[in-house]
Amino acid sequence: TQLLEQSPQFLSIQEGENLTVYCNSSSVFSSLQWYRQEPGEGPVLLVTVVTGGEVKKLKRLTFQFGDARKDSSLHITAAQPGDTGLYLCAGINFGNEKLTFGTGTRLTIIP
Amino acid sequence: DAGVTQSPTHLIKTRGQQVTLRCSPKSGHDTVSWYQQALGQGPQFIFQYYEEEERQRGNFPDRFSGHQFPNYSSELNVNALLLGDSALYLCASSPVPGMNEKLFFGSGTQLSVL
Repeated sequence: TQLLEQSPQFLSIQEGENLTVYCNSSSVFSSLQWYRQEPGEGPVLLVTVVTGGEVKKLKRLTFQFGDARKDSSLHITAAQPGDTGLYLCAGINFGNEKLTFGTGTRLTIIP
Repeated sequence: DAGVTQSPTHLIKTRGQQVTLRCSPKSGHDTVSWYQQALGQGPQFIFQYYEEEERQRGNFPDRFSGHQFPNYSSELNVNALLLGDSALYLCASSPVPGMNEKLFFGSGTQLSVL
C-alpha cells in the first residue's frame, strides 16, 4: 500500500510570513499533484509535477518534486488569509488511474 | 459551464439503511471517479467508471457499488450502512481515464450515519 504523509498536520501563521508544507512517501510516483480544499467544497487542483526535481511556480506558491519522485514540497511566500485551507498532495502512477492522497495539512493564515 | 454537480449535499441515515448518491460530470467529461473523505483525512479512492463500466476499484467492500449511465452521470450506492461510513463523498470527472491533470471534483455529499 502506497502512503503519502504530509507535515505539518496543522499550521497557523501570521499574514505575510513564509511557510513550507511537505509530502513524503517511501514509494515512487509517476507524478504528483497538489490540491487545496476549502470547507464544504471539493479539492481544487493547483499543480501537477511530473519530472524528478521539477519546480513549478504559481504566483506566490512554489512546488517542487523530489529528485527520486518520492516526495514534494509546497512553499508559500508572504501568506495571505485567502491561502487558508486544507492542502492535499496526491500521487499518481502510470496505468493506475486512482489518486493516492496524503493526510493533508490544514493551514490557517491569521490577518 | 457547470462543473461537477453532486446531490444531495447532505444526507442523514441510520445504520443498516441503504443510500444512493448522484453525480453529473463536467461538460465534455466521460470518466467519473468516487472518493470517500473521512473527517480530518485525505480522500480515498472507491472506484472509477468509464463507458458505463467499473474500470478500477479501491479497497472498499462490496457494500459499495456504482453505476454509470449513457449520459455519463453516475451513482454511488452503499448498502447496510455502518457508522464508519459517515464521510464526505466526492465525485471527480475527467475527459478520459488517466487524464488527471484535467480532474475536477464536485463539492461532495456529506453523509451522516446515526
